[in-house]
Amino acid sequence: GAGVSQSPSNKVTEKGKDVELRCDPISGHTALYWYRQSLGQGLEFLIYFQGNSAPDKSGLPSDRFSAERTGGSVSTLTIQRTQQEDSAVYLCASSSSNREQYFGPGTRLTVT
Amino acid sequence: AQRVTQPEKLLSVFKGAPVELKCNYSYSGSPELFWYVQYSRQRLQLLLRHISRESIKGFTADLNKGETSFHLKKPFAQEEDSAMYYCARHQGGKLIFGQGTELSVKP
Repeated sequence: GAGVSQSPSNKVTEKGKDVELRCDPISGHTALYWYRQSLGQGLEFLIYFQGNSAPDKSGLPSDRFSAERTGGSVSTLTIQRTQQEDSAVYLCASSSSNREQYFGPGTRLTVT
Repeated sequence: AQRVTQPEKLLSVFKGAPVELKCNYSYSGSPELFWYVQYSRQRLQLLLRHISRESIKGFTADLNKGETSFHLKKPFAQEEDSAMYYCARHQGGKLIFGQGTELSVKP
C-alpha cells in the first residue's frame, strides 16, 4: 500500500520568505509527527498530532514554526521568515496504535 | 529531559567483523526503545524494538537497565549493513532520537 508521502521533495527559498511543507500520512493512521534532520543536530522532534487531541508542540524551535492537520489526515508545516539555520531535511511520520512510526521521504529545505 | 546518547558518529569495520553500535539512555522508569536505520537514498525505517526481543537482519539489541544501555550488535557485518543507525526512545507519544551513528562496512 501507499506509504507516507511528502511534498515538495526539495525546496530552495530565499531568507525571509515563508514556506509550506506537506505530509500525507498512511490512511487510517491516527498519529502524525514532524521531525527535522540536520547535520550536527541529528533527528529532532518538532510536533506531534494524535487524533483530535491538542498537538504536542514542545519541539518547535521558535514561533516562526507552526503546523496544522486538517481532517485528521494531511498536515502542513509552515515556516515563516525562513532563516539559513532552518535548512534541513524535514521528515514526516505516521503511526497507528502499535507505535511503529512510518517515515516519509522527507523535504530537503535550503534557505539561501 | 530524557536523553538518548550515541557516542560514536562513525563506526568503520571490515566485512565479517563483529559490530556494536552503542546507545545509552537517561534513566526513567521502564523505557521503550527502538533502533531505526536509514540506508542510502532510502527512508528511515524501524529495524527493531526491545519489546520484541527479535533478531532482524542478524542484528540484536538487549536492554540493560543496570547500565541504561541498548546497544545494537551483529556478529558478522555485511557490506549492505552500511547505513545510518538511530537509537530512539518512545516518550509521551513521540520518539526522542540519538545523534545517529554512521556504520561503514568495508570489503
